[in-house]
Amino acid sequence: GENVEQHPSTLSVQEGDSAVIKCTYSDSASNYFPWYKQELGKGPQLIIDIRSNVGEKKDQRIAVTLNKTAKHFSLHITETQPEDSAVYFCAASSGAGSYQLTFGKGTKLSVIP
Amino acid sequence: NAGVTQTPKFQVLKTGQSMTLQCAQDMNHNSMYWYRQDPGMGLRLIYYSASEGTTDKGEVPNGYNVSRLNKREFSLRLESAAPSQTSVYFCASSHGQNQETQYFGPGTRLLVL
Repeated sequence: GENVEQHPSTLSVQEGDSAVIKCTYSDSASNYFPWYKQELGKGPQLIIDIRSNVGEKKDQRIAVTLNKTAKHFSLHITETQPEDSAVYFCAASSGAGSYQLTFGKGTKLSVIP
Repeated sequence: NAGVTQTPKFQVLKTGQSMTLQCAQDMNHNSMYWYRQDPGMGLRLIYYSASEGTTDKGEVPNGYNVSRLNKREFSLRLESAAPSQTSVYFCASSHGQNQETQYFGPGTRLLVL
């Protein structure tokens, strides 16, 4: 089955700096890669996703890159703000017929004012 | 739209007791999922229902049963709770095809003594 590794497990940045979280996956058939943000006491919320036919996707301060050859994808947050502090999860889905998302173990991001 | 709702928000059980966690969605989604979240483990899929009338095991199904009551509702039952089932449980739903966004509920915190 799919295995998703996520690094780092914790990340502290100064407000205004950039943050990068990296994930690797094992199943070359995986073709959908969402990122979720989870605030304390709440359920995960999708912030951005990318499909395997795209190498990069941006949404304001957030971007995701995908390298299918190396089987890794990354989340980039620029100009970080205190409200970006949360736990971030990457996930991978194996596509056709698969309803399962395999999640990484999460990265706790702290943005220091 | 309320999205995905879960009841109860918090529950304490004694070992051996049974309970049912309820989940409902009002987005007319076909697929629904149950996850558990444990510290440092990310989100692990317990069971899912690709469409009304079908259910399938996920990564960690032992000790749980599910019922897809109708298109809106998907319940998770613990027949004989064990301390190892202490966790936060999340329900999610998606439109139904693979690669679709999963929307999560607020979670149920379960403590088994």
